[in-house]
Amino acid sequence: AQSVTQLDSQVPVFEEAPVELRCNYSSSVSVYLFWYVQYPNQGLQLLLKYLSGSTLVKGINGFEAEFNKSQTSFHLRKPSAHISDTAEYFCAVSRGSDMRFGAGTRLTVKP
Amino acid sequence: EAQVTQNPRYLITVTGKKLTVTCSQNMNHEYMSWYRQDPGLGLRQIYYSMNVEVTDKGDVPEGYKVSRKEKRNFPLILESPSPNQTSLYFCASSLRTDYEQYFGPGTRLTVT
Repeated sequence: AQSVTQLDSQVPVFEEAPVELRCNYSSSVSVYLFWYVQYPNQGLQLLLKYLSGSTLVKGINGFEAEFNKSQTSFHLRKPSAHISDTAEYFCAVSRGSDMRFGAGTRLTVKP
Repeated sequence: EAQVTQNPRYLITVTGKKLTVTCSQNMNHEYMSWYRQDPGLGLRQIYYSMNVEVTDKGDVPEGYKVSRKEKRNFPLILESPSPNQTSLYFCASSLRTDYEQYFGPGTRLTVT
């Protein structure tokens, strides 16, 4: 079975600073990879996904992630953070009916 | 509007009193799933269903039941809730088992 590790539980940044949220996964087979965002008191929304093809995927709100098969990583990045990006972010990996989520990274963007 | 709905959104109950949290989706998705979210643990899958009358255990099924009699509905049943089931619960659906999931708004359950 696959597993997901989000390397930082909290990431504080200042507004307009670059953001990187790190995600590593373990799996012996090909998987699909996702990043979800959870705003306060809301459910999860899909930010972006990697199914196949280009290893650089772009999502909503200016986020992008790069799939690195050799390092089994799927880090999320944004060049310039906005106050409204403050939320919890979850990395997820799936294979067939097995979907695993990381523990989450709380991104706080300060003015 | 395509959506997943859950009811109730908030529930406070006592140990041992049976309860049901409803989940409904209007996207004709075959796959539905229940998760619980706890601080520091992320989301853990409780049960999932790949189609009508087909359900299977996730990582933390103990103390929960589900049913899938219709494609759109996937209720979560706690026959005898205990305080360790106090959590935030999410229902989700997707077109395929390994595709992106659409989440409901969550149900915050407190068992005293």
